[in-house]
Formats: sequence, C-alpha cells, structure tokens
Amino acid sequence: QTVVTQEPSLTVSPGGTVTLTCASSTGAVTSGYYPNWFQQKPGQAPRALIYSTSNKHSWTPARFSGSLLGGKAALTLSGVQPEDEAEYYCLLYYGGAHYVFGTGTKVTVL
Amino acid sequence: QVQLQESGPGLVKPSGSLSLTCAVSGGSISSSNWWSWVRQPPGKGLEWIGEIYNSGSTNYNPSLKSRVTISVDKSKNQFSLKLSSVTAADTAVYYCARFIGYPLYYFDYWGQGTLVTVSS
Repeated sequence: QTVVTQEPSLTVSPGGTVTLTCASSTGAVTSGYYPNWFQQKPGQAPRALIYSTSNKHSWTPARFSGSLLGGKAALTLSGVQPEDEAEYYCLLYYGGAHYVFGTGTKVTVL
Repeated sequence: QVQLQESGPGLVKPSGSLSLTCAVSGGSISSSNWWSWVRQPPGKGLEWIGEIYNSGSTNYNPSLKSRVTISVDKSKNQFSLKLSSVTAADTAVYYCARFIGYPLYYFDYWGQGTLVTVSS
C-alpha cells in the first residue's frame, strides 16, 4: 500500500516562511508524480493551490509556491498571513489512475 | 466558473447502499475532463474514490473497487456515486471534483461536500 507522508503539524509566525513537504513510500518524488497541493479550512472543501509541482491556479496567492526538495514535493508559504492557518494536503499521481493524498499538515500561525 | 453540488441521503443503514449525485453547472460534463469523488472521514484525511470520463470510462481506488460504481448522465449534466455494503467506516464527507488529466493532472473545482453517516 502506497503511503504519502507529510509533517503532522507546523507553527509559523505571521510574516514568516514555512515549508511543508510530501514524501512517497515508493521513493523519491519527481515531477512525474505531478504533485498537487490543497488548502482546507475547518468545515470547508479543499481548495486547489498548486499543480504539476509548481504551477499556480489563477486564484492562488503569490505567497504560495511549490517545488521539489530533497526527493520530496514541497509547498512554501512566504510572508504568512493569519488566514493561512489551515490543513494542507498534497496529492501524488502514481500512473494508471492511481492517486494518493498525503496525510496532511496542520499549519498554525502564532 | 464551474460549480459542483453534491446531493443525496445523509443517513444510510449498515449493509445498505450509499447513493450521491453531483450536479455540474457553469460547464459541460461532456468536456474533456474527468469527474471524481473524494471522501473524508470525520477528523481524518482525504481519500480518492474514483473518476469517470464523459465517455463512461471509469477508474476506481483498488481498495474500494468491488463496492463502487460511478456513472454519468449527460442529459442532466451530472454524475453519480454508488457505494454498496456500507459500514460505519464509510461515514464521511463526500466531495465531487473536476480532474484535468494529461498532461498536467490536477484537481481544480470542488463541491462543498455532503456528510453521509452510516448508522442504524
């Protein structure tokens, strides 16, 4: 069974920078896994932020960026705002219509 | 802008079947996209259930494949999920979403979600 692992929780100060990572149990994450990132606030549906590693949707704030870092997919929040406090999920594509969401990272802005 | 709206019973009995519909507006379900279902048990993470193309071609999560059926109704611009032999473990918020396949592979638009509780 494929497992995609994220940090359970991270804390960042307002205006600071935080990086979330997304690791695959099968090995290094590459662009071929087309990493997606989502933000989810309590009681709301997930909101798409990043696709294909680093591409932003038209509604994605500029302070969010995606990359590959040390064999993992990464989401960096720069100049964090209080409204960025949320759960963040990554998604990896393993081919053959096999999609796996990450375990999620709760980001606290404090 | 594409909008999706889930609907269906909020309570299903154990061993019964869960049936949900996702109505698509602001776009055609016949467009070159995949239409997906994702669920989230209370307090837990997201799980991909499956997807359907406008041709009727489907893909399912192997862990649920034996119990899942996804269908499309082009005349009503909607698609549906049926999950059979449900147990309490199937209690979750169920989301429908649009998935763009090759060459970029991403989800963009999501429904607001609907909570389905499995209980007698």
